[in-house]
Amino acid sequence: KQEVTQIPAALSVPEGENLVLNCSFTDSAIYNLQWFRQDPGKGLTSLLLIQSSQREQTSGRLNASLDKSSGRSTLYIAASQPGDSATYLCAVLIQGAQKLVFGQGTRLTINP
Amino acid sequence: DAGITQSPRHKVTETGTPVTLRCHQTENHRYMYWYRQDPGHGLRLIHYSYGVKDTDKGEVSDGYSVSRSKTEDFLLTLESATSSQTSVYFCAGQDRGNEQYFGPGTRLTVT
Repeated sequence: KQEVTQIPAALSVPEGENLVLNCSFTDSAIYNLQWFRQDPGKGLTSLLLIQSSQREQTSGRLNASLDKSSGRSTLYIAASQPGDSATYLCAVLIQGAQKLVFGQGTRLTINP
Repeated sequence: DAGITQSPRHKVTETGTPVTLRCHQTENHRYMYWYRQDPGHGLRLIHYSYGVKDTDKGEVSDGYSVSRSKTEDFLLTLESATSSQTSVYFCAGQDRGNEQYFGPGTRLTVT
C-alpha cells in the first residue's frame, strides 16, 4: 500500500529565507507527483506537477524535484514571503489506479 | 479551479437524514473524485468516476454512494448521515495530463 509522508508537520521561518519542504513515498510505481497549496478554509490549489519521467519542475519561485528511485520529492521556495504561509501537500498518482495518495501536509508560516 | 464548483458550500443536517452534495465541472474531465478532509487523517478518497455511469470505491466508501449521469455532474450521497461524517468534502477533476484540480469544498455538520 502506498504511503506518503511529509516532514516536518509544521515549519516557521523569517521572511526572505529559502526553504525546502520534503515528501517521501513508499512505492516507486507512480504516474506523477503533485504539490498543492491549501489556505485555511479553502480548497487545494495545484502548484506543480512532475511526471514520473521528469526530475524537476519550476514555476516562479517554486522548484520541485523528484527522485523516484529513492521515493523522495522536495519543494524549494525561494525568497519566502508572508503570502506563502499555507499548508503544502504532496500527492502521488498510483500507476494503474488513477488515484492520488496524499501526505498529511506541512503547515508553513513565514514571519514578517 | 473555477471550472469546478460545489454546492452547497455549507450544510447542517441531523443524524439519520439523507444528504446529497453536488459537484459541477465545465472542463470535460473524464475522471472525477470525492474526498473528505479531517484533522489527523488528511485527505481520503471516498469514491471516484472514470466516465458517465462508471464509478468505483475509494478507501472510505462505507455509508456513501455516488452517481454520474452526465460528464458535468458528480453527486455524492450520504444515505443516512452520522456524526462521523461531519467533515469537509472536496470534489476534484483530473485532466488529460493527469493533473487534479479541486473545488472549493463543502463543510458538512451532522448533529
